[in-house]
Amino acid sequence: AQSVSQHNHHVILSEAASLELGCNYSYGGTVNLFWYVQYPGQHLQLLLKYFSGDPLVKGIKGFEAEFIKSKFSFNLRKPSVQWSDTAEYFCAVKDGNAGNMLTFGGGTRLMVKP
Amino acid sequence: DGGITQSPKYLFRKEGQNVTLSCEQNLNHDAMYWYRQDPGQGLRLIYYSQIVNDFQKGDIAEGYSVSREKKESFPLTVTSAQKNPTAFYLCASTIRGRGDTQYFGPGTRLTVL
Repeated sequence: AQSVSQHNHHVILSEAASLELGCNYSYGGTVNLFWYVQYPGQHLQLLLKYFSGDPLVKGIKGFEAEFIKSKFSFNLRKPSVQWSDTAEYFCAVKDGNAGNMLTFGGGTRLMVKP
Repeated sequence: DGGITQSPKYLFRKEGQNVTLSCEQNLNHDAMYWYRQDPGQGLRLIYYSQIVNDFQKGDIAEGYSVSREKKESFPLTVTSAQKNPTAFYLCASTIRGRGDTQYFGPGTRLTVL
């Protein structure tokens, strides 16, 4: 079965620092990749997604992610974080052998200090 | 105003009691999902339903039951057989098809006393 690893469970950054959150998945083949974000007290919402084409995907609020197939990775990046980026971030993978099911990583809790 | 609603927001239950969590969507989505969120474990799939009157077990279905009598509604019952039910429960929905984004409700936090 597919598994998704997010190696950083907690990240603390100062405002304007650069961010990179790691995400690795276990099975190859055709995959769709997602990053979701959960701001304090809010719904889980989609940040960005990769289905096909350009492996560098741009999402909302200045976030981007790069799909590297050879490394089974889909790392999330932002060049300069803001206090409002404080949230929990989840990577998710849907592979062609699992219908429309998503497999989520364990999440990374980001705290940005003002 | 389209979206997914879950109720109640907070729920307390005594050990040995069954409890039902509500999930309603007015997005006209075909598929609906229930996840359980625990700290450090991400979201784990409990049950899902691709169409009305049909549902499938997810990774952690033991101790849970669902029904899908209407397209808009997918209630989850946490039974007394669930050994560790205290958690945050999230409902999601999507249009059937490859690669569709799942939309999530606000969640229900269940605490067993």
